[in-house]
Amino acid sequence: GQSLEQPSEVTAVEGAIVQINCTYQTSGFYGLSWYQQHDGGAPTFLSYNALDGLEETGRFSSFLSRSDSYGYLLLQELQMKDSASYFCAVKGSGYSTLTFGKGTMLLVSP
Amino acid sequence: DTEVTQTPKHLVMGMTNKKSLKCEQHMGHRAMYWYKQKAKKPPELMFVYSYEKLSINESVPSRFSPECPNSSLLNLHLHALQPEDSALYLCASSQGAATGTDTQYFGPGTRLTVL
Repeated sequence: GQSLEQPSEVTAVEGAIVQINCTYQTSGFYGLSWYQQHDGGAPTFLSYNALDGLEETGRFSSFLSRSDSYGYLLLQELQMKDSASYFCAVKGSGYSTLTFGKGTMLLVSP
Repeated sequence: DTEVTQTPKHLVMGMTNKKSLKCEQHMGHRAMYWYKQKAKKPPELMFVYSYEKLSINESVPSRFSPECPNSSLLNLHLHALQPEDSALYLCASSQGAATGTDTQYFGPGTRLTVL
């Protein structure tokens, strides 16, 4: 089976930096993805890490350590529009499938 | 273009009704997916189609019946649903690559209410 752990909620203020952690236990592992979902909206792909290290895309960065079964999403220069749920997801055995973590609700305040 | 479209956006149906959800993508993707998402929960995989063939059924009740008429279209036929089936139904597609980045792109979803 597969399981992913991430914090249920994180709060921060505009302009700050926030890190959302994700640890996973999987029977197979191809990579770790991150999705953003605004209330009432669809999940939107943010990033994917297959190898150890940091991937940067604008204000968002994602990190993976395969040896520690751990990754994180780093959001910089937070804006109010970043308030959303963030899901980590593992692409494991059965290459087409994604298993999602329970999601982290990020609340950005002025 | 990374757009997946879904219709209808909202659907209200009785337990005896038959309805269908539709999903379409024109990205040339060969894998398509149905997910169910309850409020404050992550998406749960229901079905995977790969090259128009059903490859994964996550033990979904038979009142949900998927169909893939061609590589761009995916339907979900609904019959005799229960109130607990009320949820957001998400369609997604991906290139269908066996390894590497096989990013799934999601449609906006159909919010289903079963009375």
